[in-house]
Amino acid sequence: SAVISQKPSRDICQRGTSLTIQCQVDSQVTMMFWYRQQPGQSLTLIATANQGSEATYESGFVIDKFPISRPNLTFSTLTVSNMSPEDSSIYLCSAVTGNRDTEAFFGQGTRLTVV
Amino acid sequence: SQQGEEDPQALSIQEGENATMNCSYKTSINNLQWYRQNSGRGLVHLILIRSNEREKHSGRLRVTLDTSKKSSSLLITASRAADTASYFCAIYAGNNRKLIWGLGTSLAVNP
Repeated sequence: SAVISQKPSRDICQRGTSLTIQCQVDSQVTMMFWYRQQPGQSLTLIATANQGSEATYESGFVIDKFPISRPNLTFSTLTVSNMSPEDSSIYLCSAVTGNRDTEAFFGQGTRLTVV
Repeated sequence: SQQGEEDPQALSIQEGENATMNCSYKTSINNLQWYRQNSGRGLVHLILIRSNEREKHSGRLRVTLDTSKKSSSLLITASRAADTASYFCAIYAGNNRKLIWGLGTSLAVNP
């Protein structure tokens, strides 16, 4: 199993600013992911964080808006850049320790409000 | 879309009753997983069922999988107020190394 610490847990930010969310796993994991979740809705994958290389982004998400780092096997950051109220959402960090046959672990999420 | 679809979208029951949620999908899968999310926080894994399995149990949870109908169900028996949460199914399909998520069922268990 893996325990994921994600911070901050919540923040209120001014439009036009940037926020960096940190995700720390207590053990080495094979893959890390960043999701966005609007209230009452399902998870939308933003990108797969690749260790030591550029993240793999899903359709509709770009590196300039959501730069991601993963310098090692246990740590990743997601930055939400030049924020607007439409970026208000819950952002979730997730990790898996195996391949497709294992469960995913999640951080507690970051509730972001942009004003 | 490969996204799973769950029904009902919302379910309200009394404590002690059973709750059943369904998940349908459109592609062949490696496995199907169920997760619980409380109050918009992080998700917690409940059960993983592989494509060659038909039923799995964990405590008060029972999951079935019918690959011919591309559907799964999650049964929570003797529900408790603490079971109030959103429940999501997710699948691994093909060589894809990322989970594909359903839309979720919001369960309210009334004391």
